[in-house]
Amino acid sequence: KNEVEQSPQNLTAQEGEFITINCSYSVGISALHWLQQHPGGGIVSLFMLSSGKKKHGRLIATINIQEKHSSLHITASHPRDSAVYICAVSIRRGAQKLVFGQGTRLTINP
Amino acid sequence: ETGVTQTPRHLVMGMTNKKSLKCEQHLGHNAMYWYKQSAKKPLELMFVYSLEERVENNSVPSRFSPECPNSSHLFLHLHTLQPEDSALYLCASSQDGGRQGGGYTFGSGTRLTVV
Repeated sequence: KNEVEQSPQNLTAQEGEFITINCSYSVGISALHWLQQHPGGGIVSLFMLSSGKKKHGRLIATINIQEKHSSLHITASHPRDSAVYICAVSIRRGAQKLVFGQGTRLTINP
Repeated sequence: ETGVTQTPRHLVMGMTNKKSLKCEQHLGHNAMYWYKQSAKKPLELMFVYSLEERVENNSVPSRFSPECPNSSHLFLHLHTLQPEDSALYLCASSQDGGRQGGGYTFGSGTRLTVV
């Protein structure tokens, strides 16, 4: 079992829908990251959070440390939001490092 | 551009070739990383350099050899690779292991195909 699990693995929705992607982890962490990966491979960091909630435009990320769970929400989804969304946690095992979930492939249809 | 630049973007090499991947950052970060992303698998950490010193080698085969000549540059030297080494290789940088507010910054990756 991976230390970081995401659900769903694939998600297809219509433009305008509210999107939720979930992430659960089983290890102690110092922070949780949400990343976006577009076709071609480049990764963009969306959020880094260790408690509570953060909002940036139409994106909202929440984390519940006690339950070891985080969610990424997208409001008023748009086809340009289509990408792979990756949850990663910062842990200290030797050096500080990231452990990644397998990613959620999101497709927003017009 | 994210501030982390990787070259080349695409590389096809034979199993007997020697090639190098390059990563460059001018964000003032003090840690740099190599990650491997194979099809249908999560990203895997390969190497961590902190203050130009290798602090993590995640059981990577010796046919992958990293080099960090200074805090802005990171190389991954490749020799006698296998077809299963075909993957996207991503470089990232951070300040103090990502604990500072800026988190991690990733490059666009090098898509490597071993034939």
